[in-house]
Amino acid sequence: GAVVSQHPSRVICKSGTSVKIECRSLDFQATTMFWYRQFPKQSLMLMATSNEGSKATYEQGVEKDKFLINHASLTLSTLTVTSAHPEDSSFYICSATPGQKGNEQFFGPGTRLTVL
Amino acid sequence: AQSVSQHNHHVILSEAASLELGCNYSYGGTVNLFWYVQYPGQHLQLLLKYFSGDPLVKGIKGFEAEFIKSKFSFNLRKPSVQWSDTAEYFCAVSPQGGYQKVTFGTGTKLQVIP
Repeated sequence: GAVVSQHPSRVICKSGTSVKIECRSLDFQATTMFWYRQFPKQSLMLMATSNEGSKATYEQGVEKDKFLINHASLTLSTLTVTSAHPEDSSFYICSATPGQKGNEQFFGPGTRLTVL
Repeated sequence: AQSVSQHNHHVILSEAASLELGCNYSYGGTVNLFWYVQYPGQHLQLLLKYFSGDPLVKGIKGFEAEFIKSKFSFNLRKPSVQWSDTAEYFCAVSPQGGYQKVTFGTGTKLQVIP
């Protein structure tokens, strides 16, 4: 149980375009989803916390107008990278928690974004 | 705010060797502690977790970790590693209570040589 999927797994886009990444909890309802960014040889950096039906909470230094997050249902959160630039190229990972004690998160497989 | 530090960035061991990966955290209150593993080409998955109770926690695949409160440590151990344990290991911490942010360490890459 507790499976999280992401789509697409890999995307290549031109500079200036927008890219949407979907995160779905397949077999549980996730009141809270998280978006991370992972740079090569570095740890996961939390970008934002997404709660169903409310605005996302962004970490310091993350531009909310650039990384738009929508958590429209208990099983789906989307991250849209707007006007992408090469420096946005990274590995984006989402996770979801079913709300059990202890904040255990279940991670998606990640999305590799390459901006040309 | 909490922080996590993993001292070993890259560890190379032969099969059957014993493993201990260090993890220290910094936070003033009570915490939940986690170890996650990322096998090559796969996504992060939970290895084990500590919420309360017995400070020696047993996880999957023969891994265990011991929470030593006085040292703010949560080291990961395995008595005898296998080639299939080759992966990256992340320690993580979150304050207890509610949907608190989980902070990850920088990870330790473990390479097990057959």
